[in-house]
Amino acid sequence: DAGVTQSPTHLIKTRGQHVTLRCSPISGHKSVSWYQQVLGQGPQFIFQYYEKEERGRGNFPDRFSARQFPNYSSELNVNALLLGDSALYLCASSLNPTGPQPQHFGDGTRLSIL
Amino acid sequence: GQQVMQIPQYQHVQEGEDFTTYCNSSTTLSNIQWYKQRPGGHPVFLIQLVKSGEVKKQKRLTFQFGEAKKNSSLHITATQTTDVGTYFCAGSTASKLTFGTGTRLQVTL
Repeated sequence: DAGVTQSPTHLIKTRGQHVTLRCSPISGHKSVSWYQQVLGQGPQFIFQYYEKEERGRGNFPDRFSARQFPNYSSELNVNALLLGDSALYLCASSLNPTGPQPQHFGDGTRLSIL
Repeated sequence: GQQVMQIPQYQHVQEGEDFTTYCNSSTTLSNIQWYKQRPGGHPVFLIQLVKSGEVKKQKRLTFQFGEAKKNSSLHITATQTTDVGTYFCAGSTASKLTFGTGTRLQVTL
């Protein structure tokens, strides 16, 4: 079975632009979470979605938004990009959001802002 | 908000030596998970601890959850070069994981 897949793998943008990152969860997983990992730090939680509804939100500005589709895939959108948004964006899926669930991560999208 | 710190930040050992990383949370955790991230890779789930004082073993790896459920540790016996990577603990709530600061392990022959 395929693991969590993310696209694109790398992306270069300039300040002020917007970006859309995509994620397909493991088959059968209904919960998708997004994390931002800056070089040398641990992943920081951005959003969790389950059954197309937002179930959790981290401490990120409104420039960050996400959605989940009926097939459980997800998109992360970031508007008005800043230099500080340069990071590895990780998507993780799990069976459901209730109770402690192992998170299965994709390889991430490396976003560079010039 | 919840903060999860790990020490040390970095450790360099010779192959065959033991290694321990410690994880401390500012708040009581309902459970804790451990992940390993190889250089250039993504975090990979290792284990989950739920009960106070719980100890779990995976081959050369031993995981402990503190009695107060505010700290945890990962001990690797007789490290190998394949153990290289960054080890993260993560406190889990229903809706999110709060990752620790991580401990980067380097193993040389």
